[in-house]
Amino acid sequence: ILNVEQSPQSLHVQEGDSTNFTCSFPSSNFYALHWYRWETAKSPEALFVMTLNGDEKKKGRISATLNTKEGYSYLYIKGSQPEDSATYLCAFNTGTASKLTFGTGTRLQVTL
Amino acid sequence: GAGVSQSPSNKVTEKGKDVELRCDPISGHTALYWYRQSLGQGLEFLIYFQGNSAPDKSGLPSDRFSAERTGGSVSTLTIQRTQQEDSAVYLCASSPEGVRTGELFFGEGSRLTVL
Repeated sequence: ILNVEQSPQSLHVQEGDSTNFTCSFPSSNFYALHWYRWETAKSPEALFVMTLNGDEKKKGRISATLNTKEGYSYLYIKGSQPEDSATYLCAFNTGTASKLTFGTGTRLQVTL
Repeated sequence: GAGVSQSPSNKVTEKGKDVELRCDPISGHTALYWYRQSLGQGLEFLIYFQGNSAPDKSGLPSDRFSAERTGGSVSTLTIQRTQQEDSAVYLCASSPEGVRTGELFFGEGSRLTVL
């Protein structure tokens, strides 16, 4: 059984705050780590797909890092805005499976 | 639109009834996935189709659940004799070749409520 754990479960920040979440996954048989953003009443949307140890990806104010040897990834949001309010999901893929195993997500709420 | 389309968006049914959920993936995507999210839970894998290969049904929770994909395009998830624990948001996703080469493109989901 593959366990993907995310923390914190929920987070409430004010506009302008920077924040980060953690995703922990099994370090053995790693193939890829995905991050998705899921806004209420919309479909989950891919943010990053990461495969290389030490990889760092950035999209606007959002960035992510990956450590495959110790089995964790961090997602950072710089200068949070209300439109960043969503559930952030990470998902793990092994080299032998064709499916993603998802964590339970971090629910972010950004208020003015 | 060019995205993944799911229907119905909402379905309320009585315990014991059968339901069908439909997914129309992005044209040309060979991989199609069904996931569900029950209240307070993470996304749970149900089934995966890739081209003409036999589907990976390892996530289907019981024999009341079945899915098919006709002509390599539209997929239908069928739940027979629904139970209250089947209440969830059922998400469909497609991908050009599968998650080993790229991201999933999700639909907006079908919210199923079993009374």
